Amino acid sequence: DVKVTQSSRYLVKRTGEKVFLECVQDMDHENMFWYRQDPGLGLRLIYFSYDVKMKEKGDIPEGYSVSREKKERFSLILESASTNQTSMYLCASSSPGQGGSYEQYFGPGTRLTVT
Amino acid sequence: EDKVVQSPLSLVVHEGDTVTLNCSYEVTNFRSLLWYKQEKKAPTFLFMLTSSGIEKKSGRLSSILDKKELFSILNITATQTGDSAIYLCAPWGDSSYKLIFGSGTRLLVRP
Repeated sequence: DVKVTQSSRYLVKRTGEKVFLECVQDMDHENMFWYRQDPGLGLRLIYFSYDVKMKEKGDIPEGYSVSREKKERFSLILESASTNQTSMYLCASSSPGQGGSYEQYFGPGTRLTVT
Repeated sequence: EDKVVQSPLSLVVHEGDTVTLNCSYEVTNFRSLLWYKQEKKAPTFLFMLTSSGIEKKSGRLSSILDKKELFSILNITATQTGDSAIYLCAPWGDSSYKLIFGSGTRLLVRP
C-alpha cells in the first residue's frame, strides 16, 4: 500500500513564526504536491514538485515556499505565518501508473491554526 | 481559465436513498477525470474516467463521463451512513501533474 505521512496532525503557531510542514512518501513517486483545503473553496494547489530539487508554483503560492532535497520528502514552509494561513494542509504524491493514471495519494493532513 | 463546478454543494438523504452528484468542467486539453471520497481526513481514490459513455462501477457506486457536454456524474445507490463524506471531482488537463479539484459535494446520510 502507498503510504504518505505528514509530520503533524495538528499544529498551533503564532503570527510571524516560521512553520515547517513535512511530507514523506514511501512509493518512490516522482510527483509530490501541497494543497490547502478550506470550506467552500475545495483543494487549492500551493506548490508541486516533479523531481528532486524541482518545484513549480501552483495556484496560491504566495506566502509559501517548498523544498525537495530527497525524492521521498517534500517540505512546505510558511516563512512568516499569518492568520489567513489557518487551514488544513494536505500532501499528495503520484507517479504515472499503467496507462498514465496519475492518481494522487494523499496524506492524512495537518490542521494548522495560526493565532 | 480551468474551472470545475460540483453540485449540489451539500445533500442530506436517508439511508436507502439513491443520490446523483454532478461535476462539470472546463479544462484545457482534458485527459481524464478522477473522483475522490473524503471522510474525516485524506481523500481516497474512487474512479478515474477517461472515455465518454463507459460506466465505472464499484459496489453501490458508479460513475460516467460525458466529454461532449463536459460533465461527469457519480451515483450512489442504497446509501448507507458510511457514505457520508465530501465527494471531490478532479479533472486533469494540459499539465501532466496537476489535478484541478472542485469544491466538493458534502453528503450526509441519516439513519
